[in-house]
Amino acid sequence: DGGITQSPKYLFRKEGQNVTLSCEQNLNHDAMYWYRQDPGQGLRLIYYSQIVNDFQKGDIAEGYSVSREKKESFPLTVTSAQKNPTAFYLCASSVTGGSNYGYTFGSGTRLTVV
Amino acid sequence: GQQLNQSPQSMFIQEGEDVSMNCTSSSIFNTWLWYKQDPGEGPVLLIALYKAGELTSNGRLTAQFGITRKDSFLNISASIPSDVGIYFCFGSGGSNYKLTFGKGTLLTVNP
Repeated sequence: DGGITQSPKYLFRKEGQNVTLSCEQNLNHDAMYWYRQDPGQGLRLIYYSQIVNDFQKGDIAEGYSVSREKKESFPLTVTSAQKNPTAFYLCASSVTGGSNYGYTFGSGTRLTVV
Repeated sequence: GQQLNQSPQSMFIQEGEDVSMNCTSSSIFNTWLWYKQDPGEGPVLLIALYKAGELTSNGRLTAQFGITRKDSFLNISASIPSDVGIYFCFGSGGSNYKLTFGKGTLLTVNP
């Protein structure tokens, strides 16, 4: 079955460390997205990519980086520059040509700074 | 980024009650989508609406695309404990890849 897979489900990071969250999809979707979710704040867009080797900053890109070397993969790195990284991170993908058919979301990664 | 006005922010209801939530926007949308997020999981699509005035059902769920194309509502009838979660509305103008969405309605159902 096609879908979008995020790993790991839970991730713990020491202060000052970079960590990378994985997102893989086999839906043949061109566009992929990373969102951050904090209690009571809904979803906030970090980065998005419409095609391979291209990506755009979202609303809260500071302290994060991404790459899009393959259509199927859109990893997110949370750098030490992100001051408050503890959150639930969601990856999503959508079909080419617009978002009228909605997003398919992964099951999320919960990142905790210890 | 732009967000939709989704209300209420939270609801506490008894099992068996009906629930209604809505989203409004100052922008016109071509598509309205309703998602449900279970605790600790990603949102899952419940209902998609593509035409102004459209009324669509999915089991105990019913959603409508407002005539003005600036609003949508979701009703849940005869709620059950597994309805617990966060419900999000998403709007799409169709001209770009990004969706606009509300902050979600947190639903708690007391058995």
